[in-house]
Amino acid sequence: GQQVMQIPQYQHVQEGEDFTTYCNSSTTLSNIQWYKQRPGGHPVFLIQLVKSGEVKKQKRLTFQFGEAKKNSSLHITATQTTDVGTYFCAGDYGGATNKLIFGTGTLLAVQP
Amino acid sequence: DTEVTQTPKHLVMGMTNKKSLKCEQHMGHRAMYWYKQKAKKPPELMFVYSYEKLSINESVPSRFSPECPNSSLLNLHLHALQPEDSALYLCASSQESEKLFFGSGTQLSVL
Repeated sequence: GQQVMQIPQYQHVQEGEDFTTYCNSSTTLSNIQWYKQRPGGHPVFLIQLVKSGEVKKQKRLTFQFGEAKKNSSLHITATQTTDVGTYFCAGDYGGATNKLIFGTGTLLAVQP
Repeated sequence: DTEVTQTPKHLVMGMTNKKSLKCEQHMGHRAMYWYKQKAKKPPELMFVYSYEKLSINESVPSRFSPECPNSSLLNLHLHALQPEDSALYLCASSQESEKLFFGSGTQLSVL
C-alpha cells in the first residue's frame, strides 16, 4: 500500500535557526499537501503542490515538490516560537476519490 | 462558514456501549472523511464519503460504522469498541482533490 515517510521525526532548534522536513512517498503522487498541527489541536492546511518541480513560498516557509512527484520538502527560515507543532505532508494518490495519506510527521520544538 | 463542527469533544465509553460521533459542515463540500489519530502519530484514514456515498473503507473493523445522512452531515457509530480504539477521531471535508478542513476532533476513551 501507499506509504509516506518523513524525516526527521523530531527537530529541536533555537529561535532564529532554519528548519527543514523531508517527505517521501513509495509511489508517484497526484499532488501533495502540507498541514501543521499545534499541540492539542487539529491539522490545519498550509499548501498544496501539484506540478512536478513546483516551488511555493509563504513568508518564511518554502515548499518544494520533486521532479518525480514522489518527494517534497518544507523549509522554514528563521524559526519563531509560533512555528512549534507537528508538520505533516499528505500524499494524494489520485483516482476517482480523494485518498489523502498522511506522512509520519515531524515535530518541531523551538527554544526561545 | 469555514468550520467543521464535531460533537462531542470528549467521550468515555465502556466496551459494551453504543455511541455515535457527529460531524457537520456547511461549506458545500461533497467529500467527507473520518480519520483516527493516536498520540504522536499521523492521522490514519478510515472512511471517505463522496457525494454521500461511501467510496473508501480502509479495512476498518465493523465495530465502526459510518453514515452520511446528507451532504452536510457525517456520523460514526461505535459499538463494542476495544481499549486500543481510544484515540482522537477527526472529521474533515473538502471539495474534490482540494485541501481538507478538519474539525477539532472527538477524544475517545474506551474503558
